[in-house]
Amino acid sequence: GAVVSQHPSRVICKSGTSVKIECRSLDFQATTMFWYRQFPKQSLMLMATSNEGSKATYEQGVEKDKFLINHASLTLSTLTVTSAHPEDSSFYICSARQGQGTEAFFGQGTRLTVV
Amino acid sequence: QKEVEQNSGPLSVPEGAIASLNCTYSDRGSQSFFWYRQYSGKSPELIMSIYSNGDKEDGRFTAQLNKASQYVSLLIRDSQPSDSATYLCAVNVDGSARQLTFGSGTQLTVLP
Repeated sequence: GAVVSQHPSRVICKSGTSVKIECRSLDFQATTMFWYRQFPKQSLMLMATSNEGSKATYEQGVEKDKFLINHASLTLSTLTVTSAHPEDSSFYICSARQGQGTEAFFGQGTRLTVV
Repeated sequence: QKEVEQNSGPLSVPEGAIASLNCTYSDRGSQSFFWYRQYSGKSPELIMSIYSNGDKEDGRFTAQLNKASQYVSLLIRDSQPSDSATYLCAVNVDGSARQLTFGSGTQLTVLP
């Protein structure tokens, strides 16, 4: 399958700081990328959908000013958690699709811990 | 009604048995169906995709799709302890570029 690379895999940051997570499709052009968060023993929760060159579409209840998403190219999307707080600690996962109706491939995930 | 429903489990089967995982979906216009496996602490990994009615086999895995009844299932033959994971069913409506809709997952444990 296609490869989606996500970095960093783990990050610990202090409360009030910002953290950037990168998601790259390595061997295909991703027209659409998705960002999820997942709490322990819970299912994936879609945060936002990003299309290259346009603003991300956020799901209801997700603060767009707190979770900044940039999809500058067909192979890179970034999620920045601004002014992080301990309750933002979670597992953040990106996925990418090559086109309509195709399967999504996931990055390795980023475990964020805010102390 | 949830768009994609799965039995949350946990489902336990002995090693070597067949594990059967089921998923139903509400939107009759759904076109693409996927099964993902997620190990604890890891991100989901695609294991099967199916687009037309019937069975699709890949090694020990068989996906079954019945659009009339709006269900998709995953059979794992000769289950191994390494198959122990959460299995996520995902559905794409209309073949669009929208996000996949995921079920809540079924936790499978294969007992040695």
